[in-house]
Amino acid sequence: DQQVKQNSPSLSVQEGRISILNCDYTNSMFDYFLWYKKYPAEGPTFLISISSIKDKNEDGRFTVFLNKSAKHLSLHIVPSQPGDSAVYFCAADAGGTSYGKLTFGQGTILTVHP
Amino acid sequence: NAGVMQNPRHLVRRRGQEARLRCSPMKGHSHVYWYRQLPEEGLKFMVYLQKENIIDESGMPKERFSAEFPKEGPSILRIQQVVRGDSAAYFCASSPSTRGDTQYFGPGTRLTVL
Repeated sequence: DQQVKQNSPSLSVQEGRISILNCDYTNSMFDYFLWYKKYPAEGPTFLISISSIKDKNEDGRFTVFLNKSAKHLSLHIVPSQPGDSAVYFCAADAGGTSYGKLTFGQGTILTVHP
Repeated sequence: NAGVMQNPRHLVRRRGQEARLRCSPMKGHSHVYWYRQLPEEGLKFMVYLQKENIIDESGMPKERFSAEFPKEGPSILRIQQVVRGDSAAYFCASSPSTRGDTQYFGPGTRLTVL
């Protein structure tokens, strides 16, 4: 039962353009969402998060959008840089008795070409 | 301020042996989470611990797996009588509290079972 889905296994973008990574979820109890970036042989690195009471959160080149009615969130990176090439995971937290237990998507491999 | 530390980074075991994975959380963090990543998949929650307490072990297999976070020392994930299917990357994360606090991940331990 995949409660968090990243349907695009990979994305290729030219340097300077926008990268849009998408994530869908099925569990209505999720109320906090995070994006992590992961390089090979390293642990995930936190990028940005959003609470379900918001529909947008921005931090520098990274913006996360949340559409609760569609159970969809996206991460925008503008402008994309070659150093952004990595695997991106979205994760969701249901709160309550879930105690910060994160549910992750399968990841999207982003490649930014110079 | 050192990040989350995990050791060993790589561990090779033969079927039937025991594997012990260690995690030292960030300074000031009292919440520890263990996740497992199988090849080509996202991270899957295993267990959440606070000092001397297991809070949520709903993601951990009932047999052969155990976890602890003693009053002194690192958190330990122990896998007894390992099988080939246990081969994966095991990540530890820590946070100062649960809700709304970002989980910071260690570099992972890559377990290979021969």
